[in-house]
Amino acid sequence: RKEVEQDPGPFNVPEGATVAFNCTYSNSASQSFFWYRQDCRKEPKLLMSVYSSGNEDGRFTAQLNRASQYISLLIRDSKLSDSATYLCVVRQGYQLIWGAGTKLIIKP
Amino acid sequence: DAMVIQNPRYQVTQFGKPVTLSCSQTLNHNVMYWYQQKSSQAPKLLFHYYDKDFNNEADTPDNFQSRRPNTSFCFLDIRSPGLGDAAMYLCATSRVRGPLTSGIGNEQFFGPGTRLTVL
Repeated sequence: RKEVEQDPGPFNVPEGATVAFNCTYSNSASQSFFWYRQDCRKEPKLLMSVYSSGNEDGRFTAQLNRASQYISLLIRDSKLSDSATYLCVVRQGYQLIWGAGTKLIIKP
Repeated sequence: DAMVIQNPRYQVTQFGKPVTLSCSQTLNHNVMYWYQQKSSQAPKLLFHYYDKDFNNEADTPDNFQSRRPNTSFCFLDIRSPGLGDAAMYLCATSRVRGPLTSGIGNEQFFGPGTRLTVL
């Protein structure tokens, strides 16, 4: 079992739709959680840190469920520019453990 | 703007010919990381420096070495590149290494990467 698992994707979604990404992690001692976005042939960029109480940034909402070891990312009113790969990342000590990413394709 | 800079952006080398990739940062972060990322895969941590303290991942081949002459610069040396070393090499920094209760300050910020081709 992978330490961080994400939906395999790709997700093909019409513009304006709501998209939900799911991520599970295996190590209950994991301490911090992040969503990164990576465009094709570019570097990963931090999208959001995920806090225990959940957090929202504009159209993006992140949730953490420690009991279920589950993290989610919701994108509302999706835009063409949201097309990218979304990577779930979990910190264990000094290490970041990366999911394989879920590719999102927004169609006009 | 504070940033992480990588040079060159594209590097072509021949099989077995040593190559050095460079990374610099203006963020004054204590920690610098080198990742290897192959197509459709997650970034794979090779090693990191916490200040001057070098930390190698257990599965990083000996072919990969690193130097950090000062806070701002970090280099990745590939002593004898093989075809399997063709990848994107990403440098990242973070202010601190370990976790913080707030989570703030331990995010990693990435440079644009160097895409390495081995002929």
